[in-house]
Amino acid sequence: GQNIDQPTEMTATEGAIVQINCTYQTSGFNGLFWYQQHAGEAPTFLSYNVLDGLEEKGRFSSFLSRSKGYSYLLLKELQMKDSASYLCASTDSNYQLIWGAGTKLIIKP
Amino acid sequence: ETGVTQTPRHLVMGMTNKKSLKCEQHLGHNAMYWYKQSAKKPLELMFVYSLEERVENNSVPSRFSPECPNSSHLFLHLHTLQPEDSALYLCASSQVPRGGADTQYFGPGTRLTVL
Repeated sequence: GQNIDQPTEMTATEGAIVQINCTYQTSGFNGLFWYQQHAGEAPTFLSYNVLDGLEEKGRFSSFLSRSKGYSYLLLKELQMKDSASYLCASTDSNYQLIWGAGTKLIIKP
Repeated sequence: ETGVTQTPRHLVMGMTNKKSLKCEQHLGHNAMYWYKQSAKKPLELMFVYSLEERVENNSVPSRFSPECPNSSHLFLHLHTLQPEDSALYLCASSQVPRGGADTQYFGPGTRLTVL
């Protein structure tokens, strides 16, 4: 079946580093997305990985291991504005998105 | 400023009312989506329109009726809803590619409360 797992909530300190994990079981896997969603706002695109490895975009990096069905989003130099939910979504053989329930990240001063 | 707009942002309706949600995308995309987002649950895909044709209807109750008059506009018509339909309804658009996954761009959503 299709399944996405990610932690429900995480807490980190301003200026620190946090890693949000996502595991997936998706038939016909065609890549994995990460989105950020602030409370009451639209989800916004962060990254897309289809090949194994780490992709870096400023303070945010995303990693994918297709053989392990595993991805993570790494956030460095955390800022208060990074407090948000982070949504993981895999893509199946029909390029439809299978979504996780999201990880609520709380940043403390 | 988002390229996908939704109106209204908030809606309260009774179970016997009829209302419509509107979505407009200004990104030149050719696919549009309706999602339901409930607290602590994954996004639920409701409808997909690609090139103005409906290509997905994930067993959504008939009290939800989509309409896509052109590639820029998408509506969700609501009637005789139930309290469990209260949720955030998100619209998204994407450019259907020639192979490969398409990044979806979301509107801010309509927060729907059914009394």
